[in-house]
Amino acid sequence: GQQLNQSPQSMFIQEGEDVSMNCTSSSIFNTWLWYKQDPGEGPVLLIALYKAGELTSNGRLTAQFGITRKDSFLNISASIPSDVGIYFCAGRTSGTYKYIFGTGTRLKVLA
Amino acid sequence: EAQVTQNPRYLITVTGKKLTVTCSQNMNHEYMSWYRQDPGLGLRQIYYSMNVEVTDKGDVPEGYKVSRKEKRNFPLILESPSPNQTSLYFCASSLLQEDEQYFGPGTRLTVT
Repeated sequence: GQQLNQSPQSMFIQEGEDVSMNCTSSSIFNTWLWYKQDPGEGPVLLIALYKAGELTSNGRLTAQFGITRKDSFLNISASIPSDVGIYFCAGRTSGTYKYIFGTGTRLKVLA
Repeated sequence: EAQVTQNPRYLITVTGKKLTVTCSQNMNHEYMSWYRQDPGLGLRQIYYSMNVEVTDKGDVPEGYKVSRKEKRNFPLILESPSPNQTSLYFCASSLLQEDEQYFGPGTRLTVT
């Protein structure tokens, strides 16, 4: 099945640093979602994007829907220890009811 | 409290023994979905349902069945489990298919 290319696979950063991760797809998406998963929990939605070029913030998180509709990025500013977890992008193509998830970016924050 | 619940949370079983993982949501959502999560592969959609009695295959439906007889419940059925179905399973729901999905806590299944 189709999957999104998400990078990087993992990141080790110092507390206070900014973080950037992205997803690319060979297909055009009309919805991009970003989720965070803590150990032992299900993914929790962080940001939803519905329009090409859209830039949306949620606290220290900012995500953008790429103009080509084939990519999206997520930025986390001034990281804190509780940002640790796995971040997933997910996308849906027009005319389908299926969501495709990226392989995840594992983030570790060093205090 | 609005939530998606799954049962059981952990299950160890043997090859060929039929099992059902239940999923229930209390938000009157129309869209429900099952995913499996495996290391390095992220989440892959198994089946989804747009409403009662309406289901369709996701990317990895082989070896699984689902049913949607009531809006709130969407059980995942493994008629004859095999070791390659050992995984972490998540149920999710959303008001409509284009809306954000709420995930359950997960069911860790081991098939020996």
